[in-house]
Amino acid sequence: DGGITQSPKYLFRKEGQNVTLSCEQNLNHDAMYWYRQDPGQGLRLIYYSQIVNDFQKGDIAEGYSVSREKKESFPLTVTSAQKNPTAFYLCATSRGGLNYGYTFGSGTRLTVV
Amino acid sequence: AQKVTQAQTEISVVEKEDVTLDCVYETRDTTYYLFWYKQPPSGELVFLIRRNSFDEQNEISGRYSWNFQKSTSSFNFTITASQVVDSAVYFCALLRNNNDMRFGAGTRLTVKP
Repeated sequence: DGGITQSPKYLFRKEGQNVTLSCEQNLNHDAMYWYRQDPGQGLRLIYYSQIVNDFQKGDIAEGYSVSREKKESFPLTVTSAQKNPTAFYLCATSRGGLNYGYTFGSGTRLTVV
Repeated sequence: AQKVTQAQTEISVVEKEDVTLDCVYETRDTTYYLFWYKQPPSGELVFLIRRNSFDEQNEISGRYSWNFQKSTSSFNFTITASQVVDSAVYFCALLRNNNDMRFGAGTRLTVKP
């Protein structure tokens, strides 16, 4: 079955360390997105990519980096510059076009101690 | 500005009660899509419904119904005869173009037996 795989589901890191969250999809969707979810704030867009080797900043890109070397993969690196990295991170994909909406992965909960 | 407001942070009902989740949106675009997603405790966002800006017909799917009113910029979601399995966080979202899905802050629904 096609879907989105985010790994790991739970991640613990020490403060000051970079950490990379994985997002892999086999839906053959062109666009991929990273969202951050904090309690009471809904989902906020970090980065998005519409095609391979191209990506754009979202509303809260500071302290994060991404790459899109393959259509199937869109990893997110949370750098030490991100001041408050503890959150739930969701990856999404889209076939493209307004009427398709997004498909979401199951998320990664990152805790920085 | 594009914005989605879910004024109800938390709602608690007893099983079999009807419950309505409110969603108000702001956009200057004439073409857009509205969505409702359900987020169970497992974390992934589950698609419930999509409605385009030109289709104001209400929709019913089993115990779920949606009321879209452009005149008041609202897209409310009603669950009839609620069940414990309906307990989740529900998000309303506005998709203005392929890169800009805006989410409300979410409403946490608790259905008690």
